[in-house]
Amino acid sequence: EAQVTQNPRYLITVTGKKLTVTCSQNMNHEYMSWYRQDPGLGLRQIYYSMNVEVTDKGDVPEGYKVSRKEKRNFPLILESPSPNQTSLYFCASSPPLQGSLYNEQFFGPGTRLTVL
Amino acid sequence: EDKVVQSPLSLVVHEGDTVTLNCSYEVTNFRSLLWYKQEKKAPTFLFMLTSSGIEKKSGRLSSILDKKELSSILNITATQTGDSAIYLCAVIQGAQKLVFGQGTRLTINP
Repeated sequence: EAQVTQNPRYLITVTGKKLTVTCSQNMNHEYMSWYRQDPGLGLRQIYYSMNVEVTDKGDVPEGYKVSRKEKRNFPLILESPSPNQTSLYFCASSPPLQGSLYNEQFFGPGTRLTVL
Repeated sequence: EDKVVQSPLSLVVHEGDTVTLNCSYEVTNFRSLLWYKQEKKAPTFLFMLTSSGIEKKSGRLSSILDKKELSSILNITATQTGDSAIYLCAVIQGAQKLVFGQGTRLTINP
């Protein structure tokens, strides 16, 4: 089954304790992205990756790191989490851009993170 | 600053009504506009709009883009309780950077 998986789905942690949220897709997509969703703010893009070893900042990259060493994986790293990073996080992937067409993004199930 | 604004933010209607959701945008290097439906989980794709004036339809849902007005509408006719969700509009900017609106929370009462 074609899907984007995220782990963990729920996480409660404390300020300053490094954590990684994994994201993996089995559709051979080149484009992957991380979003956070907060009430009243919609989804905001944190980082995106056009391909292996190519990453770019989205609108809210501060406090986050990503890596894209393999096509299928795009982990999100919080080196020193703070309470303002409490949010619902989504990973997404899509096929590569083809001319002027763009294909839909497939979203993972989400990771609810609470930083105390 | 690039932004996508949706209106209304919240809407409550009765089953069978027709609703129109709005999305306006101000972004540099616009590529396409996307609509998503989000229930109690991840967003699911509805439409992608790239050309102005061409309506996309899927059952009771339809959407159209107006690049002159920098806006799009999503119409839902004969609404059902299963249409209750948050509807998200997003704009693809440049090389696949996405900017989302705040979303419209639609509630359909029986």
